Amino acid sequence: GESVGLHLPTLSVQEGDNSIINCAYSNSASDYFIWYKQESGKGPQFIIDIRSNMDKRQGQRVTVLLNKTVKHLSLQIAATQPGDSAVYFCARGEAGTALIFGKGTTLSVSS
Amino acid sequence: KAGVTQTPRYLIKTRGQQVTLSCSPISGHRSVSWYQQTPGQGLQFLFEYFSETQRNKGNFPGRFSGRQFSNSRSEMNVSTLELGDSALYLCASSSPRGGRGNQYFGPGTRLLVL
Repeated sequence: GESVGLHLPTLSVQEGDNSIINCAYSNSASDYFIWYKQESGKGPQFIIDIRSNMDKRQGQRVTVLLNKTVKHLSLQIAATQPGDSAVYFCARGEAGTALIFGKGTTLSVSS
Repeated sequence: KAGVTQTPRYLIKTRGQQVTLSCSPISGHRSVSWYQQTPGQGLQFLFEYFSETQRNKGNFPGRFSGRQFSNSRSEMNVSTLELGDSALYLCASSSPRGGRGNQYFGPGTRLLVL
C-alpha cells in the first residue's frame, strides 16, 4: 500500500554531531522523494529532494541517500546546529498524484 | 518575492458551523495544494488546484471543498464542523509549470473546533 514512515519519532543529538534521520516507504512507483523541515509555528520548508533514479544527492550540510532495494531514504545533517531543531518529514511523489508525507521525526539539538 | 500567505492564522469555531480559509500563493505560482496536519495523522493531502481546476483530491469527506480563482488565490471550506476537524491547515504553492516537487508552504491556519 501507499505509506511513508519514519523509523524514530524523536532524535536527540549534541551540537556539532552529525544527524541521520531515516524514512521507509512501501510504494516502488515513487518518482521522487523530498525532505521538509518544520519549525514551531511555521509551515514545512523544502530542504532537498532526490529523484528515484538517483542514489545520493548533496546540498549545503545535508545529504539524502536513497536505497531502492530496501525502500529506505535517509537525511544526513552534518555538524548539526541548534537551529536545525525542528520536525523533519519525508515525502514521496509520483507523476499525477499528490505528495504522501511521513509522520515526522523531531530533532532536538543540545548545546 | 513574498511567500505563501494564509488567513486567518487562528480560528475558533463550534461544532456545526462552517469555515472558509484563504491562501495566496507565491506570485506566478498556479498550483495550490491544501493539507491537514494533526498530531495523530500527520500531513494529509486534501486537494490540489491548478488554473482554477481541481487536479487531485485526497480522501476526505465532501464537507471539505475548495476552489481557486483566476489570480490563483485559493479558498477551502469546511461545512458542518466536527471536533476532529481541529487541525493546522496548510496551503502550498508550486512552480509555474505546475510541478509538485518543490512546494512552498504557508504558515498555516490553526483551526480549533469546540
